[in-house]
Amino acid sequence: DGGITQSPKYLFRKEGQNVTLSCEQNLNHDAMYWYRQDPGQGLRLIYYSQIVNDFQKGDIAEGYSVSREKKESFPLTVTSAQKNPTAFYLCASSMGGATAAFFGQGTRLTVV
Amino acid sequence: AQSVTQPDIHITVSEGASLELRCNYSYGATPYLFWYVQSPGQGLQLLLKYFSGDTLVQGIKGFEAEFKRSQSSFNLRKPSVHWSDAAEYFCAVGAPAAGNKLTFGGGTRVLVKP
Repeated sequence: DGGITQSPKYLFRKEGQNVTLSCEQNLNHDAMYWYRQDPGQGLRLIYYSQIVNDFQKGDIAEGYSVSREKKESFPLTVTSAQKNPTAFYLCASSMGGATAAFFGQGTRLTVV
Repeated sequence: AQSVTQPDIHITVSEGASLELRCNYSYGATPYLFWYVQSPGQGLQLLLKYFSGDTLVQGIKGFEAEFKRSQSSFNLRKPSVHWSDAAEYFCAVGAPAAGNKLTFGGGTRVLVKP
């Protein structure tokens, strides 16, 4: 079945450590996105990529980094520079243009 | 820049009653509009979308939404709510000229009373 897979579902890290969240899609979508969700704040865009080897900052990119070396994969690294990294992270993909985005099941990151 | 407002943070509705969730958007051109639903700890599922054409759009699970350009609104409705509709609902606007990135409202949590 086609879809978007995020792993792991739960992730715990110590403060000061970098951590990478995985996002893989087999929908042959060109565009991929990372969102952060905090209670009461909806979803905020971190980074997005419309094509392999290219990506743009979203609204809250500070403290995060991404890569897009393959069409299927768009990993997100939460660096030690991110001041408040504990959140629910959602990855999405779309064909681009007038199409809807489809979401993975999310990764809940807890930094202690 | 686009923005989305969902004025109601929580709504409680009785099972079998009708439901309407409000969404107002701000966007300089013709928007792409979406409604998503999220169960606790899960990803988002697309309920319906509006790109152009008929302003009343039908979605999954018996939901519909109406695009009103004059009011900059895209309200979601369901005639008769089921207990399984308890979830959080997000309205979003897409920016076609910017990678179709979505801007989300803050969400409305729906509670269903038996």
